[in-house]
Amino acid sequence: DAGVIQSPRHEVTEMGQEVTLRCKPISGHNSLFWYRQTMMRGLELLIYFNNNVPIDDSGMPEDRFSAKMPNASFSTLKIQPSEPRDSAVYFCASSPTHSNQPQHFGDGTRLSIL
Amino acid sequence: KQEVTQIPAALSVPEGENLVLNCSFTDSAIYNLQWFRQDPGKGLTSLLLIQSSQREQTSGRLNASLDKSSGRSTLYIAASQPGDSATYLCAVKDNNNDMRFGAGTRLTVKP
Repeated sequence: DAGVIQSPRHEVTEMGQEVTLRCKPISGHNSLFWYRQTMMRGLELLIYFNNNVPIDDSGMPEDRFSAKMPNASFSTLKIQPSEPRDSAVYFCASSPTHSNQPQHFGDGTRLSIL
Repeated sequence: KQEVTQIPAALSVPEGENLVLNCSFTDSAIYNLQWFRQDPGKGLTSLLLIQSSQREQTSGRLNASLDKSSGRSTLYIAASQPGDSATYLCAVKDNNNDMRFGAGTRLTVKP
């Protein structure tokens, strides 16, 4: 099992640019989660999907952030336009839906906005 | 809104010592509680998951307990090793699939 795969591992870009983060969940997992981790705020849930449908996006900080899951094996988190305060590590995780199985995390994307 | 607190924020122990990490949460209506380990520059690795109906879970040298009524969980690590050095995070999941994390305890085990 390849686990949750995120790309890119690192992203450095200038403010105002569009940033797209990608995630491939574990095959067969119905739930997918996007998290953001910073020193100040710790790990925060941004949005999660069940069966490709966004269920709760209340953690998305503002309209500059958007997430899609066009199929069961792929999701994107987009920031447009990016700002320096968006700098963080973004994690994607997946799990079987509403079960007592643990969430499996990717290695994250370290995003730096200059 | 569920709040998860972990104490201490950092802990340094000599190799071989048994230790306990603490996690507390404000809303006892949980679905499960999970302990994770995070190494620098890496994602989270699930260590133990305790269902709301369970009191504890064990895996090797790790034992996690859950007391829902008091809003507490502990992670016990026996005979600690330098390889156990990492940040340990506690996460509480509610019935709406929302998971809240503590800030973590950074553990250093000195050889």
